[in-house]
Amino acid sequence: EVQLVESGGGLVQPGGSLRLSCTASGFSFSSSWMHWVRQAPGRGLVWLSRINTDGSSVDYADFVKGRFTVSRDNAKNTLYLLMNSLRAEDTAVYYCASSRGTGYWGQGTLVTVSS
Amino acid sequence: QAVVTQEPSLTVSPGGTVTLTCGSSTGAVTTGHYPSWFQQKPGQAPRTLIYDTSNKHSWTPARFSGSLLGGEAALTLSGAQPEDEAEYYCLLSYTSARVFGGGTKLTVL
Repeated sequence: EVQLVESGGGLVQPGGSLRLSCTASGFSFSSSWMHWVRQAPGRGLVWLSRINTDGSSVDYADFVKGRFTVSRDNAKNTLYLLMNSLRAEDTAVYYCASSRGTGYWGQGTLVTVSS
Repeated sequence: QAVVTQEPSLTVSPGGTVTLTCGSSTGAVTTGHYPSWFQQKPGQAPRTLIYDTSNKHSWTPARFSGSLLGGEAALTLSGAQPEDEAEYYCLLSYTSARVFGGGTKLTVL
């Protein structure tokens, strides 16, 4: 069974940091480009970042460049998203998803930025 | 950053056919944008239906199909079922980013 399980979400103060993890199983994680996507409450999907199979190439949406960093550990079948300088508007459910050819999504982890 | 546009809402009758579209502010959508389509029901994670314009996953119902139509990506639902009521998002790929459309709320009524 294919699974993508996000973790690491929670409540964080404005200006704080958080690292999300996405652990994969049931498919060839090391062969898959991976993406992070978020969804603010009641809003649409927003693409954040993608990373290639070995982590040597990464792209970010303009509004997170310099604040968010994506990485992966293929030995652990895990994708990461390090988020710094968090703002209230970063409050959202954060999803990891595999490349379009495989099309798997996790269930998401909620990040709440509030004092 | 490009803007991807979708109809905010559409309604289809049970058994009917409806086409959702996905446009790009940069011009015509082509296969080079690798259009993908996703379905999301309330309280659930998104599910990938279509990738690379028209390719289906093993779980994609046969009644869904993807294409290019008039410079836009299109998702056609033929023979709508009540369970198809959901939000549908398209995603386009650009040189160094991907951009989702705002979503189409599809009502089956």
